[in-house]
Amino acid sequence: AQTVTQSQPEMSVQEAETVTLSCTYDTSESNYYLFWYKQPPSRQMILVIRQEAYKQQNATENRFSVNFQKAAKSFSLKISDSQLGDTAMYFCAFMNPYVNDMRFGAGTRLTVKP
Amino acid sequence: DTAVSQTPKYLVTQMGNDKSIKCEQNLGHDTMYWYKQDSKKFLKIMFSYNNKELIINETVPNRFSPKSPDKAHLNLHINSLELGDSAVYFCASSQEPDNYGYTFGSGTRLTVV
Repeated sequence: AQTVTQSQPEMSVQEAETVTLSCTYDTSESNYYLFWYKQPPSRQMILVIRQEAYKQQNATENRFSVNFQKAAKSFSLKISDSQLGDTAMYFCAFMNPYVNDMRFGAGTRLTVKP
Repeated sequence: DTAVSQTPKYLVTQMGNDKSIKCEQNLGHDTMYWYKQDSKKFLKIMFSYNNKELIINETVPNRFSPKSPDKAHLNLHINSLELGDSAVYFCASSQEPDNYGYTFGSGTRLTVV
């Protein structure tokens, strides 16, 4: 079974600075998908960014980018120019497309300080 | 126009009661899911349905029964509620084989007293 590990339960960053959230996963599959979801205090789960394992190029969405290291099974999220609205729980997730069940890490609570 | 909608958003009930949570998606997705988020924010998949057929049924007490009348709806019925069932329950949907991630509803906070 696939496991997803987020080793940072809590992090904080100053507004306008850059922060990196860590995620590692364990799988024997070669084809899979990785995601970062954001859950603000409103409770809504919001997709931040998505990475396909067979693509070497790291995904980027505006201020959000990933560092995908397939051999190391690492998938970190970098948030640039942090904004107060980035304050939220961030979940790393793994999906095996043949089973289509998304498995989540335990989450990292990020606080952006003014 | 909400893509995945759940009702109710909050549910407070007594132990032993039976309750249902409804979920509807208007995205035309083929697959729908139920997730449970516990007090420590951990998200765990409970069920998934593809075109009204049960695909995943994780280790969940059989007091929990999903029902999918059509591919746009997936309801969750819970019998004989226990204190440990208190959690936030999320419905989600996705379209295969795009694998663009799941679209989640806003969650239902269930409190059993």
